Amino acid sequence: GDSVTQMEGPVTLSEEAFLTINCTYTATGYPSLFWYVQYPGEGLQLLLKATKADDKGSNKGFEATYRKETTSFHLEKGSVQVSDSAVYFCALSASSASKIIFGSGTRLSIRP
Amino acid sequence: EADIYQTPRYLVIGTGKKITLECSQTMGHDKMYWYQQDPGMELHLIHYSYGVNSTEKGDLSSESTVSRIRTEHFPLTLESARPSHTSQYLCASSGLAGTNEKLFFGSGTQLSVL
Repeated sequence: GDSVTQMEGPVTLSEEAFLTINCTYTATGYPSLFWYVQYPGEGLQLLLKATKADDKGSNKGFEATYRKETTSFHLEKGSVQVSDSAVYFCALSASSASKIIFGSGTRLSIRP
Repeated sequence: EADIYQTPRYLVIGTGKKITLECSQTMGHDKMYWYQQDPGMELHLIHYSYGVNSTEKGDLSSESTVSRIRTEHFPLTLESARPSHTSQYLCASSGLAGTNEKLFFGSGTQLSVL
């Protein structure tokens, strides 16, 4: 069945460091891929998405590129801030009628 | 941005009580979902609905039940709460049936059963 595997956390970085959170997926067909973020005490919100191969989603300085050849959708940011501390979820939706499947989440903490 | 609301935000209740967690959205979304989030953060889909009078069980077995009598409302009920039901419950919705739009999440209900 469809699944998402993401990097285990927690991940702790210093401010202005480069961030990568790995995400790979298994799905039939051509899924849409998402990154959601959950800030402390809040619900999840969409960070970025990509709907077809080679698409790059971007938002708030974060980027992720849909790589069909490696079935990956890694999240990157060039210079993290303390305010980026949150839990990040990679997710996929394999078709317009299907449920969204989430990875297990990666907790990110940024030190000042 | 999100117009999806969950109440209560926190609930502490004794074993055996019946509870209903409320979820409402004002975006006219067809699809609605309930997720259970464990302390390790992982999300488990427990119920979903693609429209009025449509409800399905999710990937994680749950003793809770849901109803969808109105498009905007998707309450979750536990007939007899137990300590094992202690968890964070997140409600979400997405756009029209047949589309693949993003999920909007409520702020969650943190349930503690004593």
